[in-house]
Amino acid sequence: QQQVKQSPQSLIVQKGGIPIINCAYENTAFDYFPWYQQFPGKGPALLIAIRPDVSEKKEGRFTISFNKSAKQFSLHIMDSQPGDSATYFCAASDFGNEKLTFGTGTRLTIIP
Amino acid sequence: DTGVSQDPRHKITKRGQNVTFRCDPISEHNRLYWYRQTLGQGPEFLTYFQNEAQLEKSRLLSDRFSAERPKGSFSTLEIQRTEQGDSAMYLCASSLVSGSEDEQFFGPGTRLTVL
Repeated sequence: QQQVKQSPQSLIVQKGGIPIINCAYENTAFDYFPWYQQFPGKGPALLIAIRPDVSEKKEGRFTISFNKSAKQFSLHIMDSQPGDSATYFCAASDFGNEKLTFGTGTRLTIIP
Repeated sequence: DTGVSQDPRHKITKRGQNVTFRCDPISEHNRLYWYRQTLGQGPEFLTYFQNEAQLEKSRLLSDRFSAERPKGSFSTLEIQRTEQGDSAMYLCASSLVSGSEDEQFFGPGTRLTVL
């Protein structure tokens, strides 16, 4: 059972554009929502994470928007660069960041 | 480099053979997780330890899989009688449970190919 649905599967954006990746979850017990970035041959690396008591969080060029009533959250990347080209995963967990449930990933390509 | 190391990085084996992977977490981290990632998919949770205690196992972890974390330090994941469906990237992550945001730091993974 897929508990975190992620879209789109792939995304191509021109340099300087703002890619947006969306996720939706089903389990209302989830209370921690991280985004991970993964380059080929590497493990996932945490970009930014949010808890449901806030609707938005910014760290550098990365912003999470969170809609608790809709059970949706999204990642925005400002001023995107070719070096941002990677696969991005949303995830969710409950009870203090135990097992993470990941989305299926979005392959992002930033073209110069 | 997150500080989590995994060995080996690649393993090719024949169906029916046993394989063992090792994970060395960040030294002060008390939680250690194993995930499996197949091509084009997100990582799937397998099991996790707090110190040396194995607290949860996914139903994905069949009887052929066993994990240990002796002395609460490094961990091993063994797969017995490997099958072609076991081919995947096996990821280890560690975290320090502190009551706030307990970031999981992932290792580079071990890519298993079962022929």
